[in-house]
Amino acid sequence: EIVLTQSPGTLSLSPGERASLSCRASQSVSSTYLAWYQQKPGQAPRLLIYGASSRATGIPDRFSGSGSGTDFTLTISRLEPEDFAVYYCQQFGSSPLWTFGQGTKVEI
Amino acid sequence: EVQLVESGGGLVQPGGSLRLSCAASGFTFSTSWMHWVRQAPGKGLVWISRVNGDGGTTNYADSVQGRFTISRDNAKNTLYLQMNSLRPEDTAMYYCTRALSYSGSDWGQGTLVTVSS
Repeated sequence: EIVLTQSPGTLSLSPGERASLSCRASQSVSSTYLAWYQQKPGQAPRLLIYGASSRATGIPDRFSGSGSGTDFTLTISRLEPEDFAVYYCQQFGSSPLWTFGQGTKVEI
Repeated sequence: EVQLVESGGGLVQPGGSLRLSCAASGFTFSTSWMHWVRQAPGKGLVWISRVNGDGGTTNYADSVQGRFTISRDNAKNTLYLQMNSLRPEDTAMYYCTRALSYSGSDWGQGTLVTVSS
């Protein structure tokens, strides 16, 4: 089973600042199979990035994904007030089919 | 507009059963892979199960294998999760999600399952 480790656990930033969130896999992951989600309190997750770097429909271009192999990054170029949330990375594998990281909380 | 609406959650005693439903609209349900993902209170996301478009292929996490059954009724555009032999550790919000490009592109609002005596 591939384990995804996200860092940092909590990121304290201000609106307008740049956020860089890391997702490290215990084994190499195909970029095709790496996704990022945003989750706000009391809400369902929302897909931000799929295929490591492709933005989902309706996602602002301040969100970008990069990386390959075992190291992936979600970057938010300039934080808006609505971006303060928990972010999860996810990979598609064999067993279990989907594995999620433990999450990074972006707080003010 | 894609909509996924879960229902069927509630309070159940350990060892009991529940059936969750997920009503889908706004996309071609019968050709979509569908998944269930759960989230224990204050915890992260955990994948539970997957089913292909015609219902002929299913997969489960080890933690629910043999206790949970995923199914679908394409005539009703509805996804199901039959949960038997429930345990306190099954307490969570359960989300259905449509899969595209190996990820969950659309999610329902979730239904809460509480297993407690």
